[in-house]
Amino acid sequence: KQEVTQIPAALSVPEGENLVLNCSFTDSAIYNLQWFRQDPGKGLTSLLLIQSSQREQTSGRLNASLDKSSGRSTLYIAASQPGDSATYLCAVRTNTDKLIFGTGTRLQVFP
Amino acid sequence: DAGVIQSPRHEVTEMGQEVTLRCKPISGHNSLFWYRQTMMRGLELLIYFNNNVPIDDSGMPEDRFSAKMPNASFSTLKIQPSEPRDSAVYFCASSWEGYNEQFFGPGTRLTVL
Repeated sequence: KQEVTQIPAALSVPEGENLVLNCSFTDSAIYNLQWFRQDPGKGLTSLLLIQSSQREQTSGRLNASLDKSSGRSTLYIAASQPGDSATYLCAVRTNTDKLIFGTGTRLQVFP
Repeated sequence: DAGVIQSPRHEVTEMGQEVTLRCKPISGHNSLFWYRQTMMRGLELLIYFNNNVPIDDSGMPEDRFSAKMPNASFSTLKIQPSEPRDSAVYFCASSWEGYNEQFFGPGTRLTVL
């Protein structure tokens, strides 16, 4: 059974710091991996999608990497801003098209 | 595009009542997903449709839950009868085919008293 874990569960950093959020999964037989952002009381916003054949994807200040063999993905946020404060979720897609979500990392960036 | 649309945004009901949640996927998407989010269990997939056909409903917790997709632009999730433990945020998401990027709606916050 696929299990997805995110570390740390919560993170508080000063504005301007570069930071890394971690996601690990137990079964390397994934189709792709998607990173989401969720603001309090809101829905999920898709940030990046990495196919299983890819090693990384970039969007603005965000960079996501994928190491399928070791069951890990990282989300790198450069020059963090208070507006980046949110919960970040990773989700792996199995060959059955199910998205299995991680537990999330709650990020707070203070001025 | 307006994105995935869900209604109502908030629903408060009493135990035993029927609850119907609605979703309009992004135009052109042919896969639709219903999720439930709680503090205890996080985000869980309830059911997934492809081309209006239910593909996987293994996440539907009980027979009290049912979902339909009568056409490509509309889906409902019904709970009858509702119970307090059904209180959660219910999300609908859509994608072009099941394996592509999923886009989520704003969710329906359900409270069953």
